[in-house]
Amino acid sequence: AQRVTQPEKLLSVFKGAPVELKCNYSYSGSPELFWYVQYSRQRLQLLLRHISRESIKGFTADLNKGETSFHLKKPFAQEEDSAMYYCALSSSNTGKLIFGQGTTLQVKP
Amino acid sequence: EPEVTQTPSHQVTQMGQEVILRCVPISNHLYFYWYRQILGQKVEFLVSFYNNEISEKSEIFDDQFSVERPDGSNFTLKIRSTKLEDSAMYFCASIGLGSGEAFFGQGTRLTVV
Repeated sequence: AQRVTQPEKLLSVFKGAPVELKCNYSYSGSPELFWYVQYSRQRLQLLLRHISRESIKGFTADLNKGETSFHLKKPFAQEEDSAMYYCALSSSNTGKLIFGQGTTLQVKP
Repeated sequence: EPEVTQTPSHQVTQMGQEVILRCVPISNHLYFYWYRQILGQKVEFLVSFYNNEISEKSEIFDDQFSVERPDGSNFTLKIRSTKLEDSAMYFCASIGLGSGEAFFGQGTRLTVV
């Protein structure tokens, strides 16, 4: 079954601390993995995708096929990073997304 | 910057009534989607739509649901006879050709009473 798991509902860190939001997936083929972010009162928006291998707002994520993981990392969290983060998998020709449960990141001053 | 627009932002309806949720995708996009998120749960795929027909639907998308692109710009989700458990946030999304990036609307909060 295709599934995305984000084990932490809430991650609370202090400003300047490193952040790692965990994401594991279950999929038999070669999925495309994404991180979407939803800031307070804003829409879901793409943060990054594994095929682009770029860093956005200081965040990076590496696809580890052996561990079936796509953890999101940032070395130094900022208060403006506080948001809901969703890991998602795109598995079919239709482009549908399968989302994890989401992790709320709270960066304290 | 072009955006996906959804109306209304909040709809309250009585159980058994029909509702139509409206979406205006980004104009040159070709793939359209509806997702829903019940309070406290994950965002769930409902249906995808391409070339004027449903390309994939989930188990949730039963006979009480339908989608339409009536005029080439709007993309609607109709729920024929709403149930209490249909209360959720409904998101529309669209993807452009060759992009892979889904652009989401702000969502419509549907409350069935």
